[in-house]
Amino acid sequence: KNEVEQSPQNLTAQEGEFITINCSYSVGISALHWLQQHPGGGIVSLFMLSSGKKKHGRLIATINIQEKHSSLHITASHPRDSAVYICAVSTGNQFYFGTGTSLTVIP
Amino acid sequence: NAGVTQTPKFRVLKTGQSMTLLCAQDMNHEYMYWYRQDPGMGLRLIHYSVGEGTTAKGEVPDGYNVSRLKKQNFLLGLESAAPSQTSVYFCASSYSGTYNEQFFGPGTRLTVL
Repeated sequence: KNEVEQSPQNLTAQEGEFITINCSYSVGISALHWLQQHPGGGIVSLFMLSSGKKKHGRLIATINIQEKHSSLHITASHPRDSAVYICAVSTGNQFYFGTGTSLTVIP
Repeated sequence: NAGVTQTPKFRVLKTGQSMTLLCAQDMNHEYMYWYRQDPGMGLRLIHYSVGEGTTAKGEVPDGYNVSRLKKQNFLLGLESAAPSQTSVYFCASSYSGTYNEQFFGPGTRLTVL
């Protein structure tokens, strides 16, 4: 049983398209995290949120606590956005991760 | 600041050999974590530490031991490596626990033959 489910698993988009990645979770959480894993393997944190919405540049993350669902949106996508996007939830001192969404943005 | 560093970056072991992975952070973070990442699976927490001298088990602790003798260092040991431990290992740190951003190291790719 996976505590965190992401969709889609793979996504290909044309440059400039609006992209949405979804995350559903089944446990009570303290916070939800969106991470980006670059093709070289490095992982960086994009957002941490426990309610509402956050925006950073072209990236927007939203969370609906009642529905146990979060979305990551990328506006005006660019080839440099190509990466694996990982949703994670934290509960107490434990973290649970989704398997990631592999995004490819074609010029 | 170097952030979070891991040594080594790559290692090949034979079944039954032992090794230690070192994670170091220079951000004065209290919390440190060891994860493994396997194809088709999400990152899984092996062990974590909420401060110097403390350690706790995560989701997949079997076959691993850890130590946090200094605040800036978190060591992951494999006493008798098995092929099932072939994986990419990531270390991460955060200022406190669940409400803080995690900073990840570059990863260690371990192959056990």
